[in-house]
Amino acid sequence: GIQVEQSPPDLILQEGANSTLRCNFSDSVNNLQWFHQNPWGQLINLFYIPSGTKQNGRLSATTVATERYSLLYISSSQTTDSGVYFCAVNILTGGGNKLTFGTGTQLKVEL
Amino acid sequence: NAGVTQTPKFRVLKTGQSMTLLCAQDMNHEYMYWYRQDPGMGLRLIHYSVGEGTTAKGEVPDGYNVSRLKKQNFLLGLESAAPSQTSVYFCASSPRQNWGYTFGSGTRLTVV
Repeated sequence: GIQVEQSPPDLILQEGANSTLRCNFSDSVNNLQWFHQNPWGQLINLFYIPSGTKQNGRLSATTVATERYSLLYISSSQTTDSGVYFCAVNILTGGGNKLTFGTGTQLKVEL
Repeated sequence: NAGVTQTPKFRVLKTGQSMTLLCAQDMNHEYMYWYRQDPGMGLRLIHYSVGEGTTAKGEVPDGYNVSRLKKQNFLLGLESAAPSQTSVYFCASSPRQNWGYTFGSGTRLTVV
């Protein structure tokens, strides 16, 4: 099956710093999503981004489908950004919109 | 708008007991999914459904059964619980192919 690798696995930032999280995938995809799991366990959909660039406030994401990677940018980080960030993909030949998840990047933002 | 609601939120089972987890969505989504999350392993797909009356196996279906008798509900059953099924279970839904997911808040299940 498709492999989804996220880096770095862990990241500690000072409040106000910027960061880039990376997601590499091993096959062509027709669906790529970024999720944030907060410290209480809730999973929030950040972006649906199979290709191109999107921005939402301090967060933005870029997917280069031909090179099989996606980047999540967090600017001016806040303590509320802490948690785990997951990338998830669905391959072109897969039906049912089934997502395969990476193992996540654990982010901690400190004051 | 409640979104995706999972019940119960917590449960402790003894080995061999059975139980059903309920997922309900009020967004008229066609597709629904059950995932489990274990430490260090991300989320893995158990079963999914692409419409009322349909179900299909995911990556880790053994020991689980599902039913989707109504479009808004997706039930996950454990026939004979085992300690290996201790996990956090998440339900999700999406409108159709190639759309974003909405997740429920999860069910933390412990099998002793």
